[in-house]
Parts: sequence; C-alpha cells; structure tokens
Amino acid sequence: GAVVSQHPSWVICKSGTSVKIECRSLDFQATTMFWYRQFPKQSLMLMATSNEGSKATYEQGVEKDKFLINHASLTLSTLTVTSAHPEDSSFYICSAPGQGIWRNTIYFGEGSWLTVV
Amino acid sequence: SQQGEEDPQALSIQEGENATMNCSYKTSINNLQWYRQNSGRGLVHLILIRSNEREKHSGRLRVTLDTSKKSSSLLITASRAADTASYFCATDEFDTDKLIFGTGTRLQVFP
Repeated sequence: GAVVSQHPSWVICKSGTSVKIECRSLDFQATTMFWYRQFPKQSLMLMATSNEGSKATYEQGVEKDKFLINHASLTLSTLTVTSAHPEDSSFYICSAPGQGIWRNTIYFGEGSWLTVV
Repeated sequence: SQQGEEDPQALSIQEGENATMNCSYKTSINNLQWYRQNSGRGLVHLILIRSNEREKHSGRLRVTLDTSKKSSSLLITASRAADTASYFCATDEFDTDKLIFGTGTRLQVFP
C-alpha cells in the first residue's frame, strides 16, 4: 500500500483562485519532503524542499510567494498554488525519505493533477 | 535543477527485444536510481545502484554505473508490451535526499 498519500488526485480550479495539495506520510515521520512539478511529456522538476517546522527551500526559478509550502507536522506538507493561472496546470508530486532501515528509500505520492481553467 | 540527460528520448521496439536507456549526470552522487512512470501516474521505483557498485540486476532489469563517465544504463531484456512507460534516472545530491531526475526515455513496446 501507499506510504505517501497525496490529496486531491485531480483538481480543476478557476484562474485566479488558490489550490492546496496535501502530502502525507503514512505510518512514518518525515521531517523533510520534496515537491516536484511535471509538465506533460517532460521530466520531474524539483520545486522545493519542505522542512518541518521551518521555511521551505526553493529551487532556483521557483516563486516562493506563488507556491506556498507549509510543513506544520511530521506527517503533512502542503503546497498551495496561489492565484493560479492556466500555465500552472501540471502534475504535482511529492516525496519523502524513509526512516531507519528504509533511510535510503524515497517514497513518492501518487501525484496530483491540477488543471486551471 | 534538472541535471540528468537521458537518451534516447523515445524508443520503440517489438516484444521480446531488449531496450537500453542511457543516463548521464553532472555531479558526484551517493547513488543512482531508475524509476518507471506510466502515463499520468505516479512513479514506481525500479532499482538503486550505489556509487561503489558497477552493475546490478533485478529480474529482467540490468543497470550499470560508470562513475568515471558519470553515466548509467538501464537494460530491459525480453521486453513486454506492459513495459511501455517512461523511464527516468534520478541522482541524489551528495548528503541530501534531494533527487534530481533525468529527462526520461519514453519506451513503446509493440505486441
């Protein structure tokens, strides 16, 4: 079964509105999570590193005020796409590293499709 | 930032043939991983090879790693139509859990 859960799987929103995507680690704690974006027929691009209890670290070229990341607990990180525009339509996927003997395993969520109309 | 380059970008073969995909990366790594992604779906982890390993097998998969050339290859033997998917290599930034993905290879296996 899934060890990292994303919600929602699909979301359609109107241009100018904000959308929140959740990433949860199931049965393990994740002090760090990662958010990726994938446009159709392209690879995954790392957007930011979500750090529990502190500010996210954004990759170059990613607008931190547009993509708000909150990692308020050890099992939940949220990505909020603010003032969404059609060009933000994409597949967003999160990941979290395992713990203990699974330390070197990276678990991915199932992804969230965002369509901005 | 996206650091891995993969080739070919697309590959079409018949069932039973072997498929080889190559990945090149730019920085020092702890390990390199290969993932599979069906269209519009999440990632499936295939295999991890550590920087001190040169070759690894898992079922019909064979992965090689050449750290001197900063390259890796994924070989799928006796391909099946169900192997149709996109395949990505991913490297970790040294001492972090941050994965940087390659550009990917879209594999189409015809029955």
